[in-house]
Parts: sequence; structure tokens; C-alpha cells
Amino acid sequence: GNSVTQMEGPVTLSEEAFLTINCTYTATGYPSLFWYVQYPGEGLQLLLKATKADDKGSNKGFEATYRKETTSFHLEKGSVQVSDSAVYFCALSESGGSYIPTFGRGTSLIVHP
Amino acid sequence: KAGVTQTPRYLIKTRGQQVTLSCSPISGHRSVSWYQQTPGQGLQFLFEYFSETQRNKGNFPGRFSGRQFSNSRSEMNVSTLELGDSALYLCASSLANRGNEQFFGPGTRLTVL
Repeated sequence: GNSVTQMEGPVTLSEEAFLTINCTYTATGYPSLFWYVQYPGEGLQLLLKATKADDKGSNKGFEATYRKETTSFHLEKGSVQVSDSAVYFCALSESGGSYIPTFGRGTSLIVHP
Repeated sequence: KAGVTQTPRYLIKTRGQQVTLSCSPISGHRSVSWYQQTPGQGLQFLFEYFSETQRNKGNFPGRFSGRQFSNSRSEMNVSTLELGDSALYLCASSLANRGNEQFFGPGTRLTVL
């Protein structure tokens, strides 16, 4: 079956530091890949997505590249802010059968001033 | 366009009781999914409804049930509540195609005493 593995958190950074959150996946077909973010007290919201190999999704300074050869979709940001503190979820959605997303466990990011 | 709304936002029940949660999807979205989020288990898929039919189901006991109305609004019901049912219940709507994101509501925080 499908699965998504994210790095364990929390990830603690100082403001303006570089961020990487690793995500690898297992899928039988050709999935679409997503990063969602959950701020305290809120539901998840889409941060970025990529639908095919070598696509790069980007939004709000975050970016991730769909790497089929390494089955990865790592999230990066060059300079984090305190307001980026949240939980980040990597997810995939298959092309055939059930398209219900498979989510990773989430990675908590804490950014200190 | 209004987002996904969930009511109530907070709920306190005692063991053995039952509860009904409500979700109104984004206008035009016919797919509604429900998730349970807990610190220990992360985000777990409960079920998905499309055009009033349950199309996908997660691995939860029969105490968890749902339905969808002709206007795409959805309800989920949990009977005979257990302490372990305490969680954030998230509803998400989508256009139900591969590559389409899910739009999440803010969730209902259920506490079982």
C-alpha cells in the first residue's frame, strides 16, 4: 500500500535559518504530492503541490521538488520566520483507485526569534 | 467563496454517550472526507462521501458512521463514546479528482470524560 514517511520533529530553528523537512513516499502508481500546513488551532491548508516527476511546487517562500528516482518530496525554505511555526504534513494522492490522500505523521516546526 | 465550516467547534461528552458532528463543504465540492487527529496516531482517515454515497472507508469500528445529504453537507456520528475517541475531528472537501487538493475545516475538538 501507499505510505509517506516524514522526519521526526520537533524541528527547532532560529529566525532566518534554512529549513529542510524530509519526506519520502511509497506508491504503486504515479501519485500527486502535497505539503499541507496546520497552524495552531486550525485545520490543514495546502502549502504546495506537484503532480508529476521533476515538478517544483512553491508558495510563500517554501518549495519542494518531486523526485521520482529517490521517491522524495523534501520541503525547503531559505529563511524561516517565527510565523512559520506550525505542523507540516507531506501527503500523496494516487492516480487510480482511491484518490484519498495518504498523509505522513506531520513534523512540528518551532522558530525562535 | 466560503470555506469549509464545522460545527460545533468544541464538544465535551461522557463515556457511553453519542455525538453528531456537522460539516458544510465548499460550494460545488461533492466529496467530503472525515479524519481523526490525535497526538499519538496522527491524522487518520475515517471515511469519504461522494454524492450521498460512502465511497471510501478507513479502519475504524462501526461506532463511527456518517452520511451526506443532497446539498453535500455531511454529518458524522460516534456512538457509545470511549475515552480514546477524544480527538480533533477534521472534515475536508474536494473536487474529487487526482491532483486536487483537499480543503479542510477548522475541526471539532471532542473531549470524552
